[in-house]
Amino acid sequence: GAVVSQHPSRVICKSGTSVKIECRSLDFQATTMFWYRQFPKQSLMLMATSNEGSKATYEQGVEKDKFLINHASLTLSTLTVTSAHPEDSSFYICSATPGGGPSSTTQYFGPGTRLTVL
Amino acid sequence: RKEVEQDPGPFNVPEGATVAFNCTYSNSASQSFFWYRQDCRKEPKLLMSVYSSGNEDGRFTAQLNRASQYISLLIRDSKLSDSATYLCVLHGDSSYKLIFGSGTRLLVRP
Repeated sequence: GAVVSQHPSRVICKSGTSVKIECRSLDFQATTMFWYRQFPKQSLMLMATSNEGSKATYEQGVEKDKFLINHASLTLSTLTVTSAHPEDSSFYICSATPGGGPSSTTQYFGPGTRLTVL
Repeated sequence: RKEVEQDPGPFNVPEGATVAFNCTYSNSASQSFFWYRQDCRKEPKLLMSVYSSGNEDGRFTAQLNRASQYISLLIRDSKLSDSATYLCVLHGDSSYKLIFGSGTRLLVRP
């Protein structure tokens, strides 16, 4: 099956620093990638949808200047949490889809990145 | 009202038991439905899609009731390895977006 990797798997940082998370599709080209956030005992919440070569589409309530998304190639999307604060501590998960129409809507999930901001 | 609602559980059952979860959704235009499984501190993994006619995959049976807007998952002969959180997930009406329920936790005890 299709494989999506994320790096790092876990990061601990100080308040005020920026953290970059990478999401890679290893064996397919991902036209679209999604970024989710999951707080303890809550559902995955979609933060943004990123399409290769264009600006990301952010969900309501997600600050685009705080969560910078770059999807510069068909196999890599990055999420940068700028000026991170303790309330940004969460489990960040990406997913990727080959796109190409309704038959390709399966999303393949990365293993997630656990961010802890001190 | 949440788009997808699930009983958080936990459902605590002995090995070999049959257990069922339900999920309700609010958007009648939703087109595709899924059950995902999520282990603690891991990413969600697709368990099975849910079709209108109902479908079975080994010990797992999924049903969809569009009129009442609910989805069910039945697990027969529970195994210890079935312990996880089961997420009810659906596609929106015209996009690739997945909408997740908050999950139902299952604990299977020896």
